[in-house]
Amino acid sequence: SQQGEEDPQALSIQEGENATMNCSYKTSINNLQWYRQNSGRGLVHLILIRSNEREKHSGRLRVTLDTSKKSSSLLITASRAADTASYFCALSNTGNQFYFGTGTSLTVIP
Amino acid sequence: DVKVTQSSRYLVKRTGEKVFLECVQDMDHENMFWYRQDPGLGLRLIYFSYDVKMKEKGDIPEGYSVSREKKERFSLILESASTNQTSMYLCASRGTGSVLKLFFGSGTQLSVL
Repeated sequence: SQQGEEDPQALSIQEGENATMNCSYKTSINNLQWYRQNSGRGLVHLILIRSNEREKHSGRLRVTLDTSKKSSSLLITASRAADTASYFCALSNTGNQFYFGTGTSLTVIP
Repeated sequence: DVKVTQSSRYLVKRTGEKVFLECVQDMDHENMFWYRQDPGLGLRLIYFSYDVKMKEKGDIPEGYSVSREKKERFSLILESASTNQTSMYLCASRGTGSVLKLFFGSGTQLSVL
């Protein structure tokens, strides 16, 4: 399968704590992206990391990519109740096909 | 701001009906996509289009067709709706070149009874 697989499936933390979710995959990739989905809505792009990059930051988000282990992690620091959402990784190798994982459901408790 | 608009938020149809899901983007993007999202299965690509009148099958095209007569509009057609097509349908678009991120619509929750 070309899908990514997120872990954990669900995560519940207190506001202010950090949240870490992981994505593992089996094929080679050109880039990996993370998206966020609020309940019942469309997905919103968060961050992209290319296969020749190891780490990227965007605000409170930090993404790492280990191509030797075929895995990526998304860290959200100092979480807020508004971060409650599902988070998906999306893999791409050709640029026109994006393979999404099944997502991690994050709940941030105020 | 960038916008991908799906015509219906919720839709209820009967088995055997022909169903049209419409998606319009205002970003002049060449690439448009239709996904369906089911619990535990994530997003699965149904069809995508990289230009007007061009289309490519995704992973699960059976039971679906698409139409792209104008650059801004990409329609998903369920020729004869079945109950196993009850799902959330998400449209997305993307520009060309190095801009790789997808812009999604809000989704259409389709129920086939």
